[in-house]
Amino acid sequence: EAGVTQFPSHSVIEKGQTVTLRCDPISGHDNLYWYRRVMGKEIKFLLHFVKESKQDESGMPNNRFLAERTGGTYSTLKVQPAELEDSGVYFCASSQTMGLTGKLFFGSGTQLSVL
Amino acid sequence: SQQGEEDPQALSIQEGENATMNCSYKTSINNLQWYRQNSGRGLVHLILIRSNEREKHSGRLRVTLDTSKKSSSLLITASRAADTASYFCVTSGSRLTFGEGTQLTVNP
Repeated sequence: EAGVTQFPSHSVIEKGQTVTLRCDPISGHDNLYWYRRVMGKEIKFLLHFVKESKQDESGMPNNRFLAERTGGTYSTLKVQPAELEDSGVYFCASSQTMGLTGKLFFGSGTQLSVL
Repeated sequence: SQQGEEDPQALSIQEGENATMNCSYKTSINNLQWYRQNSGRGLVHLILIRSNEREKHSGRLRVTLDTSKKSSSLLITASRAADTASYFCVTSGSRLTFGEGTQLTVNP
C-alpha cells in the first residue's frame, strides 16, 4: 500500500515568488491534514479536509496561503507571495477514521526555503 | 502554553541505555499518541494510548498515561543508534496538537 506522498521534497524560492506543494494521501483516506514546522520549533496545524471540504482551517497563518482538495483526492497548498518566515517543513497527513481518534499517516514533508 | 509539551527538550544517551521522555498537556483528551521524526524524514506513528488506558507496550516502547496529572511518558528500552530522532507527543481533542518535541541522540 502506498503511503502519503508529498512533492516536491525540497523547494528553494525567492521572496515574492509563488510555490505550490502537493500531497497525495493514502487511497481511501477521507481526512487530509496540513502541518508545518518552522525553525525546528513545534509542529503547527494548518488545516483539515474531509473529502473536498475544509473542516477546519483555523491554523492557516494568513491569506497568502491557499489550500485546495478538488475531488477529494490530492491536495495542494499554495503560498503566494512567499515570505522569509514561510520557510520550514510542510507535512501532509491522512487518516481514515472520522474525527481525530485514529492515527495519522504522514508524508516525508516538503522542505521550503524562502531566500 | 502549548499542549503536548515534551520534557526534556534534548536527551543524549549511550547505546543500550534506556531513554525516558515525558509529556504534559492541559485539556481533556480522547487519546494521546507518540510520533517520531528522523532528520529529513516524515513523522512516523509509534503508539496510541486511549484515555481509559494507563499503560501500553509495543516492542521496546512503553507508554504510560496519567490523566489525573495530565501527563504521559515514553520509555525506549535498550536504545539503538537508529532511535536517534525527535519524539513528539500528540494530544487529540478537537484536533491533534504537537509540542516542540524531545531530540533524542543515541551515541554508538
